[in-house]
Amino acid sequence: QKEVEQDPGPLSVPEGAIVSLNCTYSNSAFQYFMWYRQYSRKGPELLMYTYSSGNKEDGRFTAQVDKSSKYISLFIRDSQPSDSATYLCAMSRNTGNQFYFGTGTSLTVIP
Amino acid sequence: DVKVTQSSRYLVKRTGEKVFLECVQDMDHENMFWYRQDPGLGLRLIYFSYDVKMKEKGDIPEGYSVSREKKERFSLILESASTNQTSMYLCASSILDVANNEQFFGPGTRLTVL
Repeated sequence: QKEVEQDPGPLSVPEGAIVSLNCTYSNSAFQYFMWYRQYSRKGPELLMYTYSSGNKEDGRFTAQVDKSSKYISLFIRDSQPSDSATYLCAMSRNTGNQFYFGTGTSLTVIP
Repeated sequence: DVKVTQSSRYLVKRTGEKVFLECVQDMDHENMFWYRQDPGLGLRLIYFSYDVKMKEKGDIPEGYSVSREKKERFSLILESASTNQTSMYLCASSILDVANNEQFFGPGTRLTVL
């Protein structure tokens, strides 16, 4: 069983839609949860960072962590064509520890 | 801004060749990482380093070695390239800080082994 599971998609939505991206994990020791965005032919860049359970909001993006269910989500409101990218979830036990990545979900927002 | 640079964006090598991938970061980060990224498998950690001359194996170190002679530079070496090492290679760095867990990535090197 993989440490982190993520539906690869692809996901295609119309502009303005609400997008929900999800990951599940098996290791209850994970405490740090990240979402990275990767544009085509570029390296991943950090989008959201959450410690332990709860919600975090940044503009159109909301990250949710439910440690009891071992489930994390990223919501994108009012999606834009510029949001078209691959979204990777990542998690770790402690800061500086190894990251465990999901396989990434490919998202296309159609104008 | 943190900048992580990788020596090549695209490389084509032949089976059996020795391949060097170079990564340089300009923010004095202690930690550096090498990943490979493959469709359906995501990012997998090959090696990482917490300090100069220090290295730790990740999940898939077989067929690879690394070198960290200076803090800003982390090299990945394919001793004898094979076709199954055709992949996107990503370097990352991060600060050693209990309050900060961000890894900064380079643009990647797409390696093809023929």
